[in-house]
Amino acid sequence: GDSVTQMEGPVTLSEEAFLTINCTYTATGYPSLFWYVQYPGEGLQLLLKATKADDKGSNKGFEATYRKETTSFHLEKGSVQVSDSAVYFCALKDTGNQFYFGTGTSLTVIP
Amino acid sequence: GAGVSQSPRYKVAKRGQDVALRCDPISGHVSLFWYQQALGQGPEFLTYFQNEAQLDKSGLPSDRFFAERPEGSVSTLKIQRTQQEDSAVYLCASSTRQGQNYGYTFGSGTRLTVV
Repeated sequence: GDSVTQMEGPVTLSEEAFLTINCTYTATGYPSLFWYVQYPGEGLQLLLKATKADDKGSNKGFEATYRKETTSFHLEKGSVQVSDSAVYFCALKDTGNQFYFGTGTSLTVIP
Repeated sequence: GAGVSQSPRYKVAKRGQDVALRCDPISGHVSLFWYQQALGQGPEFLTYFQNEAQLDKSGLPSDRFFAERPEGSVSTLKIQRTQQEDSAVYLCASSTRQGQNYGYTFGSGTRLTVV
C-alpha cells in the first residue's frame, strides 16, 4: 500500500543554516506529493506540492523535487529563519480519496 | 468563512461519554475529510464526503465512530462511549474538488482528551 517515510526529528538549526528534511514514498500509482507545515496550535497548511516526476515545488524559499527514480521528495531551504520553526509533514495522494502522511519532523531554529 | 472552522478547539471527555465534533468547511467546497492525529504522529484518514454522500469510511477505527454531513456543508464527527485511545487531534479538511492535483485546506483541529 501507499506510505510515506520521513526523517525523524527533532531538528535544531541555527538561523541562516541550510535545511534538508528527507522524505521517501511508496505508492502503487503515480501520486502527487506534498509538504505541509503545522505551526504550534494551528492546522496543517500546504507549503508546496508536485504532481509529476521531475516537478519542483517551491514556496517561501522552500523547495522539493519529485524524484521518481529514488521515490523521494526531500524538502530544502537555503537559509532558515526563526519563523520557520514548526512541524513539517510529507504527504502523498494517489488516485484514491485520502492523503498518506509521514510522522512529521519538528524543526526548531534558534537565533 | 475564509477557512475551515472546527469546534470546539478543546474537549475533555470522561471515559464512556459521547462527544460530537463539528466542522464548517469553506463555502462551496464539495469534498470534506476527517483525519485523526495522535500525539507525535501524522494525520490518519478517517472518512470522506462528497457533498452529503459519505463515499469512504474505511478509516473509521470502530463502530463507535460515526460521521455525517446531511446538507452537504457542515459535518459532525461523533464518537460514542469514548475510550482513552480516542485521545487525539481531529482534523477536518475541505476542497473544491476531489483530485490528486489539489491541496486541501485544513482546520485547526479539535483536541480531544479522554480521561
